[in-house]
Amino acid sequence: NAGVTQTPKFQVLKTGQSMTLQCAQDMNHEYMSWYRQDPGMGLRLIHYSVGAGITDQGEVPNGYNVSRSTTEDFPLRLLSAAPSQTSVYFCASSYSGGQGTEQYFGPGTRLTVT
Amino acid sequence: AQKVTQAQTEISVVEKEDVTLDCVYETRDTTYYLFWYKQPPSGELVFLIRRNSFDEQNEISGRYSWNFQKSTSSFNFTITASQVVDSAVYFCALSVLTAESFVFGPGTRLSVLP
Repeated sequence: NAGVTQTPKFQVLKTGQSMTLQCAQDMNHEYMSWYRQDPGMGLRLIHYSVGAGITDQGEVPNGYNVSRSTTEDFPLRLLSAAPSQTSVYFCASSYSGGQGTEQYFGPGTRLTVT
Repeated sequence: AQKVTQAQTEISVVEKEDVTLDCVYETRDTTYYLFWYKQPPSGELVFLIRRNSFDEQNEISGRYSWNFQKSTSSFNFTITASQVVDSAVYFCALSVLTAESFVFGPGTRLSVLP
């Protein structure tokens, strides 16, 4: 049981490049989400999904796309990277979003955009 | 809308001191869930506790204890006899039944000095 896995762990992009951060979980959780963590700002929700085929925007969705074709995978796409997207990105999963089940987090991806 | 405030940005204590981390939340929902997570220097996010809005009993787990008070919308976390290994960023979070997402506070960085 690997839990929540994220790849890559580190990434450096140039402004304007695109890339996909991968996230997978093997706990059969319906709810998955992406956060970014910036100094002094805690974890801010980018996008979330309550099940395969269903996604919704969080607090800071601009510049990011997601899709959920399977229960296990929830990739995050940066369409045209900007320096403001330099951050640590965490993927998380849980049994539900609003019903009190805790989230399990991946190890994070540290992204630098130059 | 939901909001979580952690007014203490950074706290420093000497080993064996007791320390309390404050968390104040805002929500109009009557059913909600509160969480605490720990982020040690290694960067992963570790779930510590979950509490629902109908259970105001305080909880103790070893050196950790949590004080939930609906009257003041607070869910404070106390570490008794702190240790160097308690040094981390601690996040308080909130989820509600009517929204499929979690809201995190900005975090409190705790440094326990030997």
